[in-house]
Amino acid sequence: QVQLVESGGGVVQPGRSLRLSCAASGFTFSNYGMHWVRQAPGKGLEWVAVIWSDGNNKYYADSVKGRFTISRDNSKNTLYLQINSLRAEDTAVYYCAKALVVVSPWWFDPWGQGTLVTVSS
Amino acid sequence: QSALTQPASVSGSPGQSITISCTGTSSDVGGYNYVSWYQQHPGKAPKLMIYEVSSRPSGVSNRFSASKSGNTASLTISGLQAEDEADYYCTSYTTSSTLEFGGGTKLTVL
Repeated sequence: QVQLVESGGGVVQPGRSLRLSCAASGFTFSNYGMHWVRQAPGKGLEWVAVIWSDGNNKYYADSVKGRFTISRDNSKNTLYLQINSLRAEDTAVYYCAKALVVVSPWWFDPWGQGTLVTVSS
Repeated sequence: QSALTQPASVSGSPGQSITISCTGTSSDVGGYNYVSWYQQHPGKAPKLMIYEVSSRPSGVSNRFSASKSGNTASLTISGLQAEDEADYYCTSYTTSSTLEFGGGTKLTVL
């Protein structure tokens, strides 16, 4: 069965960097687009970024453009999110999610269990 | 403030039907058939319930249906059950090749 396991979260000081990982299994990772979505404590969902199956196309929410970088290593079945210049408003649970179908990345399921990033001094 | 507008809360009794709206613009909801809906129970990861405006993924109950008219998409849940109590989020593709989420709607089953 499809499994997505995020890691790399924790408590980080403002201005520092962090790299989140999402280990995928149970499907042909290289065939599917992948997303990062975040949820601040007690708040709604916020889409962060998408990467195409071959890694050649990447799109970001305006709120993170220039500070976040999505990438993937298809040889390792792993998705990444590099977060630079962390801010308090980046505090959230970060979820990775798999595109539902090969032909379109714009709807996704399942999601991982999430990893919590807390930005605090 | 979310780009897509949803009611903060809706409620219904078991067996009844409810509808959740999701209003955007011609640059997102109205411009593309790339609207989807997610269900999230407290402390859990979201789950895809509807994609491409009205399609249901395998395993999702046919009590869930959805549609779109102009710049507004709608999710209808019929035959409400206690297990349907959750938060529901709409999303839409945009002209900027990005996704937007609605602010979410808390469904209470009375």
